[in-house]
Amino acid sequence: DTAVSQTPKYLVTQMGNDKSIKCEQNLGHDTMYWYKQDSKKFLKIMFSYNNKELIINETVPNRFSPKSPDKAHLNLHINSLELGDSAVYFCASSFSQSTGEQYFGPGTRLTVT
Amino acid sequence: SQKIEQNSEALNIQEGKTATLTCNYTNYSPAYLQWYRQDPGRGPVFLLLIRENEKEKRKERLKVTFDTTLKQSLFHITASQPADSATYLCALENSGYSTLTFGKGTMLLVSP
Repeated sequence: DTAVSQTPKYLVTQMGNDKSIKCEQNLGHDTMYWYKQDSKKFLKIMFSYNNKELIINETVPNRFSPKSPDKAHLNLHINSLELGDSAVYFCASSFSQSTGEQYFGPGTRLTVT
Repeated sequence: SQKIEQNSEALNIQEGKTATLTCNYTNYSPAYLQWYRQDPGRGPVFLLLIRENEKEKRKERLKVTFDTTLKQSLFHITASQPADSATYLCALENSGYSTLTFGKGTMLLVSP
């Protein structure tokens, strides 16, 4: 069973479009995250949710809107896509806010043309 | 400003040798430090966590040290194997924020 899953794996779209990435974890964790890994492989936190509530928003443009329908799911919706949004987006989860280790999904490679 | 530095050059070693990767940081007071492994096209995988009051932690062929005075962690893989080839990321906890900041990673290449 996949612990943290994301869909889609690949997403190719044009500038200006709106797209969503879905994430689900079956680990029973309370905390979920979205990270962006750019072309230089730098992995940066975007959002952190604990038990469906947003706790961290790391100065991400408001074109990015996370939504957590329940604590096992954290989706990422992106409006008006820009070329600079091209990256690999990783979802992750951890047992709680204060628990260190995080479990990552396989990533979604977003290409904006 | 806060920085996490890992050697950006790939580390090439021969199978059977010990690989040592370095993570240096400035302007952090992390309660713990973690190491992850990332293979191409995949998400990072957690390897080890070491707390600020621990000097050393081991797991099978892996060993991590944490020197809060030097602000440095060393990650060792003993008896390295080609299957250990990957990028290794260190990550620091942001005190009070419950998030991690990752270094850019060091690629390890183990040749047979």
